[in-house]
Amino acid sequence: DTEVTQTPKHLVMGMTNKKSLKCEQHMGHRAMYWYKQKAKKPPELMFVYSYEKLSINESVPSRFSPECPNSSLLNLHLHALQPEDSALYLCASSQDLRTNTEAFFGQGTRLTVV
Amino acid sequence: DAKTTQPNSMESNEEEPVHLPCNHSTISGTDYIHWYRQLPSQGPEYVIHGLTSNVNNRMASLAIAEDRKSSTLILHRATLRDAAVYYCIPYNYGQNFVFGPGTRLSVLP
Repeated sequence: DTEVTQTPKHLVMGMTNKKSLKCEQHMGHRAMYWYKQKAKKPPELMFVYSYEKLSINESVPSRFSPECPNSSLLNLHLHALQPEDSALYLCASSQDLRTNTEAFFGQGTRLTVV
Repeated sequence: DAKTTQPNSMESNEEEPVHLPCNHSTISGTDYIHWYRQLPSQGPEYVIHGLTSNVNNRMASLAIAEDRKSSTLILHRATLRDAAVYYCIPYNYGQNFVFGPGTRLSVLP
């Protein structure tokens, strides 16, 4: 199984809502990532987890709250988002931050904030 | 993180070879060169990576210059399914997969 599964595929939420994005992998990878991608732009790194601990936060606003409850699961909790946060949110995983192996990406969650 | 320079866009005819260049003149001696592609409405997909020697896999070949300041991704016979944005990413453990603007490849039937 070389898949990174993201749910939901699409999400529409109001600015006062709280929602969560979910990402799952069963490859035994210990590094997991969240990226944000606006239309016609490259993915931008948001967070990196290594062995379930937050390793990197790329100055992301606190309305985005990541969580890694176990080695297979990565969540992104959303609260009080703005319309400009509408984007494709991508999850990725790789074997370990200490190796040079490739990253595997999910298909993303397309988020629309209204 | 090493900076990369790639053409904004390239065009190819179907069933012809495609050479996608990438300049990474600030790459460190231990950075690997990774290539990913992103098909429309999909997440990025790993293509190939290498350190110094040329590399081949079922998807593509990677030619790395002797001084490692540039590399070329080679698709031997482009198909319509290869139309995507291609990203080269210098990467070493402890760093992050940082995407540059990439090259948008169009494949003409």
